[in-house]
Amino acid sequence: AQTVTQSQPEMSVQEAETVTLSCTYDTSESDYYLFWYKQPPSRQMILVIRQEAYKQQNATENRFSVNFQKAAKSFSLKISDSQLGDAAMYFCAYGGAQKLVFGQGTRLTINP
Amino acid sequence: DGGITQSPKYLFRKEGQNVTLSCEQNLNHDAMYWYRQDPGQGLRLIYYSQIVNDFQKGDIAEGYSVSREKKESFPLTVTSAQKNPTAFYLCASSMGALNQETQYFGPGTRLLVL
Repeated sequence: AQTVTQSQPEMSVQEAETVTLSCTYDTSESDYYLFWYKQPPSRQMILVIRQEAYKQQNATENRFSVNFQKAAKSFSLKISDSQLGDAAMYFCAYGGAQKLVFGQGTRLTINP
Repeated sequence: DGGITQSPKYLFRKEGQNVTLSCEQNLNHDAMYWYRQDPGQGLRLIYYSQIVNDFQKGDIAEGYSVSREKKESFPLTVTSAQKNPTAFYLCASSMGALNQETQYFGPGTRLLVL
């Protein structure tokens, strides 16, 4: 079974600085997708970014980018120019042949 | 506006009572999902449906039931058999049934036991 591990339960960053959240996964599949979701205090899950495993190019969405290392099964999220509104729980998720598998989450705090 | 709605926002259950959580989507998505989130944990799949009148158990289906009579609606019933129902419940939908499709989430329902 696939597993997703987020080794950082909590992270903090100064406003306007850059932070990287880690995610590793375990799978024997070759075709899959990876996701980062944000859960702000409202608790609604919001898609931040998505990566197709067959694409070598790292996905980017404005201030959010990923470092996808397929061989290492690593999928980290980089947030540039951190803003107060980025404070949230961030979940990494793996989507393969079966169900979507979520990590335990990383709580990100932004210090003004 | 297209999206997913869940109601109620808060729900209180008495001992031995069945309660139903509503989930509606107007995104014309085929697949719908129910997840449970406990404090400090990720999401766990309860049930999912890939098409109308069909649904499958997820990882923690015991004590829950669902129906999918309409494409837009996927209600979840928390039965009295679920001994620890206090949690945050999230409904999601996706265009297709493949787990490579992006899932979009509703605002959630918090269930508390009196």
